Amino acid sequence: QVHLQQTGAGLLKPSETLSLTCAVNGGSFRGFYSYWIRQPPGKGLEWLAEINHIGSTTYNSSFGSRVSVSLDTSKNQLSLRLSPVTAADTAIYYCAMSQSRGSYSPLRHWGQGTLVTVSS
Amino acid sequence: EIVLTQSPGTLSLSPGERATLSCRASQSVSANYLAWYQQKPGQAPRLLIYGTSSRATDIPDRFSGRGAGTDFTLTINRLEPEDFVLYYCQLYGSSPLTFGGGTKVEIK
Repeated sequence: QVHLQQTGAGLLKPSETLSLTCAVNGGSFRGFYSYWIRQPPGKGLEWLAEINHIGSTTYNSSFGSRVSVSLDTSKNQLSLRLSPVTAADTAIYYCAMSQSRGSYSPLRHWGQGTLVTVSS
Repeated sequence: EIVLTQSPGTLSLSPGERATLSCRASQSVSANYLAWYQQKPGQAPRLLIYGTSSRATDIPDRFSGRGAGTDFTLTINRLEPEDFVLYYCQLYGSSPLTFGGGTKVEIK
């Protein structure tokens, strides 16, 4: 059974860099679509970025060049970097993986979420 | 960019009743790429329905979806106590991924 496990710092100061990692157990990111999605406290879901089945990335234009994602297939790890952060970036961050290989499919697998708080 | 609008924002019902949640797209979309997720407090979203009407693994048959074009519906028959949580619709057929604003189903 596929399980996504997130790690990373939960408390940051403004202007610092958010770095999160998502490891997959019981499966592989290879060939699937992988995503980072966030949810501000009490609000809805917001897509940040994706890596598709051949490793190409697409980013939410709202974040400009602040966001980047990468996939280390040898370690089965997905990473997110967001810099610099502000208080508006306070949210629960989720990694997610598609249901099927090779094309767009629904988000079947989700990490447990990481609450990132940005405060001076 | 396609916008998904969910209504109502909050739905107040009693256990055993039927819930009907709406998701409207700002333009016609492919029914192949419309999904519904359930989110319980403190948890990640869980896939309920994909391709408008296909239930995900282990989802009870009291959950059903339908729709086409711009109008999609999630129906929950015979509401159970654990169903009184948040629901999101989503388009996943292209980038950017788009989510609706959510509907909260609460106990009346």
